[in-house]
Amino acid sequence: AQSVSQHNHHVILSEAASLELGCNYSYGGTVNLFWYVQYPGQHLQLLLKYFSGDPLVKGIKGFEAEFIKSKFSFNLRKPSVQWSDTAEYFCAVNVGNTGKLIFGQGTTLQVKP
Amino acid sequence: DTGVSQDPRHKITKRGQNVTFRCDPISEHNRLYWYRQTLGQGPEFLTYFQNEAQLEKSRLLSDRFSAERPKGSFSTLEIQRTEQGDSAMYLCASSSNPGADTQYFGPGTRLTVL
Repeated sequence: AQSVSQHNHHVILSEAASLELGCNYSYGGTVNLFWYVQYPGQHLQLLLKYFSGDPLVKGIKGFEAEFIKSKFSFNLRKPSVQWSDTAEYFCAVNVGNTGKLIFGQGTTLQVKP
Repeated sequence: DTGVSQDPRHKITKRGQNVTFRCDPISEHNRLYWYRQTLGQGPEFLTYFQNEAQLEKSRLLSDRFSAERPKGSFSTLEIQRTEQGDSAMYLCASSSNPGADTQYFGPGTRLTVL
């Protein structure tokens, strides 16, 4: 069965530090990849997505992610975090034509001002 | 575009009672998904609809759960004879393109079974 693994469950950073959140998936075929974010008290919203083409994708609020097919990875990065980036981050994969998403267990990011 | 809405936002019920949740997707989105999220976990797929047809159900969806989307617009998720293990956030999402489009999530319904 397909699965998504997020290695960092809770990350604490100071403002201006660089961020990298790991995401690996298990599936040998074509996948679409997503990062969603959930700010405190808000619903899930899309940060960025990869379907095809350039493996380095840019999203909102200065986030980017790199798809490395050989490593089955889709890591999220931001060069300089802000206090407002405090949130929970979810990596997700959809496989096939159903569109259903398989999520990782999430990473809680806490940014200290 | 008013986004995906869900009602109620919170539901507290006693074990053994039936509950029903409603989801209104973004208008003209033909795909509608239900997920369940428990504390410390990512959302888990429950079921989805293409218009009014329910095309897939997860093994997580026991026979106490039923979902409908009668006119291809809003959807309901009913849980019969609730158990404490049903306590979770129930999320609804919609999209306009089956394979490669973004799913837009609603705020969720938080169910607490006492």
